[in-house]
Amino acid sequence: DIVMTQSPLSLPVTPGEPASISCRSSQSLLHSNGYNFFDWYVQKPGQPPQLLIYLSSYRASGVPDRFSGSGSGTTFTLTISRVETEDVGVYYCTQGLQTPITFGQGTRLEIK
Amino acid sequence: QVQLVQSGAEVKKPGASVKISCKASGFTFINFYMHWVRQAPGQGLEWMGLIEPRGDSTTYAQKFQGRVTMTRDTSTSTVWLELSSLRFEDTAVYYCARDRGYCRGSSCNDFEFWGQGTQVTVSS
Repeated sequence: DIVMTQSPLSLPVTPGEPASISCRSSQSLLHSNGYNFFDWYVQKPGQPPQLLIYLSSYRASGVPDRFSGSGSGTTFTLTISRVETEDVGVYYCTQGLQTPITFGQGTRLEIK
Repeated sequence: QVQLVQSGAEVKKPGASVKISCKASGFTFINFYMHWVRQAPGQGLEWMGLIEPRGDSTTYAQKFQGRVTMTRDTSTSTVWLELSSLRFEDTAVYYCARDRGYCRGSSCNDFEFWGQGTQVTVSS
């Protein structure tokens, strides 16, 4: 199974400041079609997760443009350009290159 | 709009089985893979498996092989998850999720829309 490792696991951020979360996979997520099968999700308190970024860098429908994803192969980053209070939640990275689909441990973003 | 509405909370005894439903609307049901993901209390997300658009085939996480069955009914746009031989550690919220579409001729293996979740509690 592909192991996904996130850092940091806890991220206190001041509103208006940038934030970034890293994720590493135990093997490359780059498919022969040129896409990385890597996504970011956020789970806000009391809600199901929601898709933020797919294929490493594509924002899902309705996701604000302050969220961006980058990376390829085994190293990926989620960046929030200016954190807002509504961004509080747990952020998960995941790989879909092969089954079983696996998730990172989650990064808890909190407001300072 | 896309909606996935799951059945209500369940309380089961160890060794019993549970069957959860997920009724879909707002999209062409037979065009999308469906997944099940669970989350134990205070824990992260765990993928359980997927079922192909017409229900002809399933792929399960090895951890659940032999205990899990995923089915779908295209006439009612519903998918079901059945988990047998329940253990205390199966206590979790179970989510159905719709795949994003077709990638590389198969599932994209991501979760564009989610159900509200079904709490399953295994207790003696």
